[in-house]
Formats: sequence, structure tokens, C-alpha cells
Amino acid sequence: EDQVTQSPEALRLQEGESSSLNCSYTVSGLRGLFWYRQDPGKGPEFLFTLYSAGEEKEKERLKATLTKKESFLHITAPKPEDSATYLCAVQATGGSYIPTFGRGTSLIVHP
Amino acid sequence: EPEVTQTPSHQVTQMGQEVILRCVPISNHLYFYWYRQILGQKVEFLVSFYNNEISEKSEIFDDQFSVERPDGSNFTLKIRSTKLEDSAMYFCASKTRGQVGELFFGEGSRLTVL
Repeated sequence: EDQVTQSPEALRLQEGESSSLNCSYTVSGLRGLFWYRQDPGKGPEFLFTLYSAGEEKEKERLKATLTKKESFLHITAPKPEDSATYLCAVQATGGSYIPTFGRGTSLIVHP
Repeated sequence: EPEVTQTPSHQVTQMGQEVILRCVPISNHLYFYWYRQILGQKVEFLVSFYNNEISEKSEIFDDQFSVERPDGSNFTLKIRSTKLEDSAMYFCASKTRGQVGELFFGEGSRLTVL
């Protein structure tokens, strides 16, 4: 049973074309939701942590938001260097302290 | 900027051979993890390690796997008898004290089992 579902699986944008990636989660309680960037053949690189509904974090062209059921990663005026796979991970309340990852959204930004 | 370092970057081995993957976590971090990612699939948790013992492990982490922190800096993952399906990218990660916190990942070790 997937706790974390990311959509779309793949997204192609033109440079400057803003869009959003979605991460929906099904856990009884949320300790934290994390966004990572992963370049091909590399390890995930931490971007943001969100803890509670209504929280927002920003970094350059990226903005992450959180509701009680999902998180969005908004990409404003993307550049080709933003091309990567974006991973969402959720740490739930309860017995386990381990973040569970979604399958990711592969983003390609064309010049 | 401190980083997690992993060696080797790529290892090719024959089925049935033992493999040891090495990691040097960020120096002031206390929690250590191994994840793996089979090509094209999601990042999967294997094991977490705190205070010199395993704190959690997944169903993937069976008797063929073991972890060790032999000194104050290294953290190793051993696969005793590799199978074809162990071919994957193995990521080490660490984090500071705290129940909730972001993981910092290494660049990964690609394991190919022939």
C-alpha cells in the first residue's frame, strides 16, 4: 500500500513555463514531508521540509506547499538546469521514524 | 559544505560473492541509513543505525545483509552472497539528532551482479 503518490510521472516544460508537481500522501499522522532533487546517477539532494498544513518554503524558482493530504512543488519560470527527478518523502507518526519515498516526477525543461 | 561520501562508486561482482559498500557520514550526524534504488524504481529503505545498533530494518534487509560502524567515521553495508536482484544503486544517508529531520545522501554505490 503506497503511502506516497507523485504525479505526473514525467513532465516536459519549455523554459519559462511554470508548473506544479504533486505529492499526495495517506498517513494517519504526519511528522514531516520532504522534497528532494535527484540528478541521473546521483543521490537525492535535500530541498525542503514541511511539517504542518499551510506551511510554505521557497528556494530560488521552487516553492513547496503543504495541505492535510498533499504537497505541491511549484516551479516558476524553470530553466534547463532545473531538469531532474523530484522526489517526495513522508515521515509518519506511529512506530516507524523512516521516511518513505514516492516514485518521483521526472522533469525535463527544454531551452 | 559537509557531505556524505561513499565508496566504491561502482562495483561489478559475480553472483554469490561478498560485497562491502563503505560510507563516511557527515561528522556530527548520529543517525545513519542505507537505501537502495533499483534502476527506474523508487528509493527503498533498507536499514537505520543509531547508537551502534540497528534501530529499524525493512523486509529487504534479510540475513544476507549486515551493517557495521567499525570506527568513529565509517559505516558499512555488507552483502554476504550477492544475487542478481541485488543489482542496484545503494545510497548511504545520515542526519543529525532528532526524530524528524532531513536525510543527507551520498552519491551512491552502483552494484552490478553478474
